[in-house]
Amino acid sequence: GENVEQHPSTLSVQEGDSAVIKCTYSDSASNYFPWYKQELGKRPQLIIDIRSNVGEKKDQRIAVTLNKTAKHFSLHITETQPEDSAVYFCAASVNTGGFKTIFGAGTRLFVKA
Amino acid sequence: DGGITQSPKYLFRKEGQNVTLSCEQNLNHDAMYWYRQDPGQGLRLIYYSQIVNDFQKGDIAEGYSVSREKKESFPLTVTSAQKNPTAFYLCASSKQVIETQYFGPGTRLLVL
Repeated sequence: GENVEQHPSTLSVQEGDSAVIKCTYSDSASNYFPWYKQELGKRPQLIIDIRSNVGEKKDQRIAVTLNKTAKHFSLHITETQPEDSAVYFCAASVNTGGFKTIFGAGTRLFVKA
Repeated sequence: DGGITQSPKYLFRKEGQNVTLSCEQNLNHDAMYWYRQDPGQGLRLIYYSQIVNDFQKGDIAEGYSVSREKKESFPLTVTSAQKNPTAFYLCASSKQVIETQYFGPGTRLLVL
């Protein structure tokens, strides 16, 4: 079946460093790629998303890049802060012949002060 | 975080019992979704609804049922056919599918 692989599963960085999380998807029809942040015991919240007609999108310290050929997209967080510590999920979605969305297993990010 | 609510926060199910999880939104969104989250895993889609009176199965619909009689409400019933129901259940809504989803606070279902 379709799947999304997310790496690494755990990432520890020093405050102020950059963090990169990578996802690879298998369904070439996927055309919407959101990233969610989930703090412990809380609901997931969208932090950034990208559509298949765009290669890169940036919002302040957060950026996402998409390589459709390689079926690969990445989340980049610069100047990390302790409050960035959370679990981050990627997803690949499509709405052709029915809505489908597959989530990655998540990356637990620790930002050390 | 307002706009989409779920109740109860915790729910206990006895063997053979059906239980219903509530999801309500006042965001005027057409699309609503139910996800299941297990420890160390990503979210998996149970059911979704693009519009009132319509809903479709997701990847793991077996043992679950839904209804969408009102735009604001999308309840999920976990039936006795679901043999491993212990999980964190998240409801979400969006203006339309393939748009930003807003999640509720979740319901944690435990089996007695």
